[in-house]
Amino acid sequence: EADIYQTPRYLVIGTGKKITLECSQTMGHDKMYWYQQDPGMELHLIHYSYGVNSTEKGDLSSESTVSRIRTEHFPLTLESARPSHTSQYLCASSETGAGQETQYFGPGTRLLVL
Amino acid sequence: DQQVKQNSPSLSVQEGRISILNCDYTNSMFDYFLWYKKYPAEGPTFLISISSIKDKNEDGRFTVFLNKSAKHLSLHIVPSQPGDSAVYFCAANFVGNQFYFGTGTSLTVIP
Repeated sequence: EADIYQTPRYLVIGTGKKITLECSQTMGHDKMYWYQQDPGMELHLIHYSYGVNSTEKGDLSSESTVSRIRTEHFPLTLESARPSHTSQYLCASSETGAGQETQYFGPGTRLLVL
Repeated sequence: DQQVKQNSPSLSVQEGRISILNCDYTNSMFDYFLWYKKYPAEGPTFLISISSIKDKNEDGRFTVFLNKSAKHLSLHIVPSQPGDSAVYFCAANFVGNQFYFGTGTSLTVIP
């Protein structure tokens, strides 16, 4: 099982603030992902990375940005938080074996924007 | 366009009985399917997976069945325990593609 960490676990912040959600994994996985999930909804992919200096946007239109300067670190930044950003943010990394990929998730960050 | 669907938002089962969680998918390209378990305020935890070349995979109390012709998979938990109470997500993907997740089924195991 992957060791993947997210901080902070909970964050309450005012509109317009800049925030960075941290995600780190110690398994040396090349692929990392950020998802957004609301209660009763599926996970929506917002960003992913297949390795250092590689980042792509997912299906969900997002006003966030990511960076991947080190294999183990994949932070997500919201330049100007809005109430519509209130959600749970899940980071994942994956390993591939026999051509099949399994994602492992961090504990998540619950964000509330007032 | 939701490619992976879990049509039952909730399920209640008596302790010791079988829990059956269902999942349907639409994309015939999917060749790998996974189940995740999620407790409140935590991230999903990988539970069990199955490749499209198999129709059954078993791990202890958990068994996943895959019916490719019906584009349907199910997770069986036998016997169910109160600690199994959580939200269960199914997911699917194929090589080089993103994961698609269902909306989850909330399982309550009644002692």
